[in-house]
Amino acid sequence: QVQLVEAGGGLVKPGGSLRLSCAASGFTFSDYFMTWVRQAPGQGLEWVSDISRTGETSNYGDSVKGRFTISRDNARNSLFLQMNRLRAEDTAIYYCARDAGGGEGYDFWGQGTLVTVSS
Amino acid sequence: SYELTQPPSVSVSPGQTATITCSGDELGEKYACWYHQRPGQSPVLVIYQDTKRPSGIPERFSGSTSGNTATLTISGTQAMDEGDYYCQAWDSSPAGVFGPGTRVTVL
Repeated sequence: QVQLVEAGGGLVKPGGSLRLSCAASGFTFSDYFMTWVRQAPGQGLEWVSDISRTGETSNYGDSVKGRFTISRDNARNSLFLQMNRLRAEDTAIYYCARDAGGGEGYDFWGQGTLVTVSS
Repeated sequence: SYELTQPPSVSVSPGQTATITCSGDELGEKYACWYHQRPGQSPVLVIYQDTKRPSGIPERFSGSTSGNTATLTISGTQAMDEGDYYCQAWDSSPAGVFGPGTRVTVL
């Protein structure tokens, strides 16, 4: 069965950095685009970033562009999100999700990892 | 930036029909998806490509489009259908965009 397990969240001071990971299993990881979506406390879903199957292409939301970097290691079935220059407004649960492709949506989601940015 | 609009809340009696709309510029030319999120849980895809249901999603969930509005309909709503519903599409970047969410309450 498809599983996505995020890790790496925690408490970090404003201006600091954090690297999230997402371990994928139960499917051929390299066949899928992957996505990060976040949800601030009590708020809605916010699309953060996605990455192509090979990792050659990536896209970012305006609020994280220039600060966050998405990457993947297909040999290790892993997705990453390097977050730099963190701000209080980056506090959120971060979910990794599989993009089924062709407008088929994000069909599997991890349980999320909480990032708290506070002094 | 591209934006999607949803009503903040919808209330429905058990067994009745809940309708949630999602509007956006040129949404009719894009695929829309819908997600259900219960409190404390991860979102679940309930509709993709405007009208299709993933395996395991009950038949009472259906999607439709008209012009630049996508609609999620829950027929015979059950208590377990309570929660937040988000529409989602892709802009021209392409980047994913989520609507603000609609809280469904089954009274």
